[in-house]
Amino acid sequence: QKEVEQDPGPLSVPEGAIVSLNCTYSNSAFQYFMWYRQYSRKGPELLMYTYSSGNKEDGRFTAQVDKSSKYISLFIRDSQPSDSATYLCATFFGNEKLTFGTGTRLTIIP
Amino acid sequence: SQTIHQWPATLVQPVGSPLSLECTVEGTSNPNLYWYRQAAGRGLQLLFYSVGIGQISSEVPQNLSASRPQDRQFILSSKKLLLSDSGFYLCAWSGGPNEKLFFGSGTQLSVL
Repeated sequence: QKEVEQDPGPLSVPEGAIVSLNCTYSNSAFQYFMWYRQYSRKGPELLMYTYSSGNKEDGRFTAQVDKSSKYISLFIRDSQPSDSATYLCATFFGNEKLTFGTGTRLTIIP
Repeated sequence: SQTIHQWPATLVQPVGSPLSLECTVEGTSNPNLYWYRQAAGRGLQLLFYSVGIGQISSEVPQNLSASRPQDRQFILSSKKLLLSDSGFYLCAWSGGPNEKLFFGSGTQLSVL
């Protein structure tokens, strides 16, 4: 079992819809959770960085962590074609290295 | 502000040829530096990381090596490339443990 599981998609939604991207993880020690956005042939760009459980909002993006279920989510409101990218979740604890999901490819249809 | 530079963006090399990819970070001192490889549909694989000059940790045995000759310079090398070395290579930096990780723009390496 992978430490972080992420549905690879592809996921296609119409412009303006709410997008929900999800990851599950197996190690209850994970404390820090991140979401990255990666455009084709570009480096991942950090979108959200959260610690422990709860929600964090930044503009149209909301990151949600449920440590009891070992489940992390990224919501995108009012989705735009420019949101079309691959989204990677990542997590770590203590001084350990980041563990990444394999990414979900998202397409927003105009 | 901090920036990370990685080059070249694209590289096509024959099997058996050497490799040198360079990464530099600006605007910070003593960063943790990382080399990742990203294969299609397989996520990010950590290859090397460094917490200081001359300090290199390898995560997976392979045909590659890394060096950190200066505080903000990280180099990925190979003496003889294999077909299996093809992939998208990413350099990254962080300020230390528990810090955010920032990536460079990546190098698409094709070994033919």
